[in-house]
Amino acid sequence: GNSVTQMEGPVTLSEEAFLTINCTYTATGYPSLFWYVQYPGEGLQLLLKATKADDKGSNKGFEATYRKETTSFHLEKGSVQVSDSAVYFCAHGSSNTGKLIFGQGTTLQVKP
Amino acid sequence: DAGVTQSPTHLIKTRGQQVTLRCSPKSGHDTVSWYQQALGQGPQFIFQYYEEEERQRGNFPDRFSGHQFPNYSSELNVNALLLGDSALYLCASSSQGSSYEQYFGPGTRLTVT
Repeated sequence: GNSVTQMEGPVTLSEEAFLTINCTYTATGYPSLFWYVQYPGEGLQLLLKATKADDKGSNKGFEATYRKETTSFHLEKGSVQVSDSAVYFCAHGSSNTGKLIFGQGTTLQVKP
Repeated sequence: DAGVTQSPTHLIKTRGQQVTLRCSPKSGHDTVSWYQQALGQGPQFIFQYYEEEERQRGNFPDRFSGHQFPNYSSELNVNALLLGDSALYLCASSSQGSSYEQYFGPGTRLTVT
């Protein structure tokens, strides 16, 4: 069935370190892919998206490329800040079903 | 531009009781989806409403029901509450042309004792 698998956390990094959070998916057809971020006590915020193969989504220094051949959508940032500490969720969605399927989330802790 | 709003913020109920949660979508959006997020987990899709009808449903029992009003706002009702219903309930809105691109509200934290 359709699913999303993320690397387990927590991920702990020092400020200005390079970040990678792995995400792979299984889906029928050609879904759109998303990264959402959730800060403590808040709802989910859309961080970036990609709607077709080889698209690169980017926002606030974060990037992810839709890799159809490896069914992956890994999140990267070149230099993390303390304020990036949050839980990151990878998700896929289809305009046919209208629902999003989420991974289990990866907690990122950035230390000064 | 107001985003997605939800009420109440927090709620405490007893097993067996019923609860109603409310959501107003982002301006310009006509589709509302509800998700349940248990502690430490990703959100799970409950159902989606468009044109006042349930269009999609996830793997949730009939105790979970909803409604959409002509102004596109929505309610989530849960009957016969169980301890396992304790979770953060998230509402997301979108436009029907791109219903998978969803914007989330802050959620309602439901605690069942």
